[in-house]
Amino acid sequence: AQKVTQAQTEISVVEKEDVTLDCVYETRDTTYYLFWYKQPPSGELVFLIRRNSFDEQNEISGRYSWNFQKSTSSFNFTITASQVVDSAVYFCALSSQGGSEKLVFGKGMKLTVNP
Amino acid sequence: SAVISQKPSRDICQRGTSLTIQCQVDSQVTMMFWYRQQPGQSLTLIATANQGSEATYESGFVIDKFPISRPNLTFSTLTVSNMSPEDSSIYLCSVGAGFSYNEQFFGPGTRLTVL
Repeated sequence: AQKVTQAQTEISVVEKEDVTLDCVYETRDTTYYLFWYKQPPSGELVFLIRRNSFDEQNEISGRYSWNFQKSTSSFNFTITASQVVDSAVYFCALSSQGGSEKLVFGKGMKLTVNP
Repeated sequence: SAVISQKPSRDICQRGTSLTIQCQVDSQVTMMFWYRQQPGQSLTLIATANQGSEATYESGFVIDKFPISRPNLTFSTLTVSNMSPEDSSIYLCSVGAGFSYNEQFFGPGTRLTVL
């Protein structure tokens, strides 16, 4: 069975601090896909990134970066120089077939960035 | 990406009644999914809805309670039947999209409160 663990439930930081959100996954599949989503207070789920198991390269997009390590089954997400607008619940998710199959979500981590 | 709309955006309903939620996509998609997010919780898949076939329900969800229609490649409905306060949740539809359907995009959600 697939499982995603986000051990941190809630983090509070001050603006401009860096923050890392942890995600550990379990799967027996050799091919799989990992996702990060952002859910701001308004409730919609915003797609941030998708990474497949073949590609262990880390990725940077502006202030966001992702560290994928198959050896530790982790797919961590770092926000650099956090801003108040980053305040949201962040979900890590896992799928066997990308977007064409159900996603298994972690419990989510609530990030509060204070001015 | 895909642009997804849901109606209604929110509703307050009485116990024992039913509510039908609509999901409209701006492009033709094969895979559509319905998720439930109970208050303060993560997302759980209710069912997968493919056009031209019966929806496939996850363990713990049954067709009599959550009937789904998928009349074409851009539209689906989820009905929450005989509602109780425990059905108060956000209901989200999503679609597999992007290159090789590797991404999954979500609608804005329907916030349901059952009194």
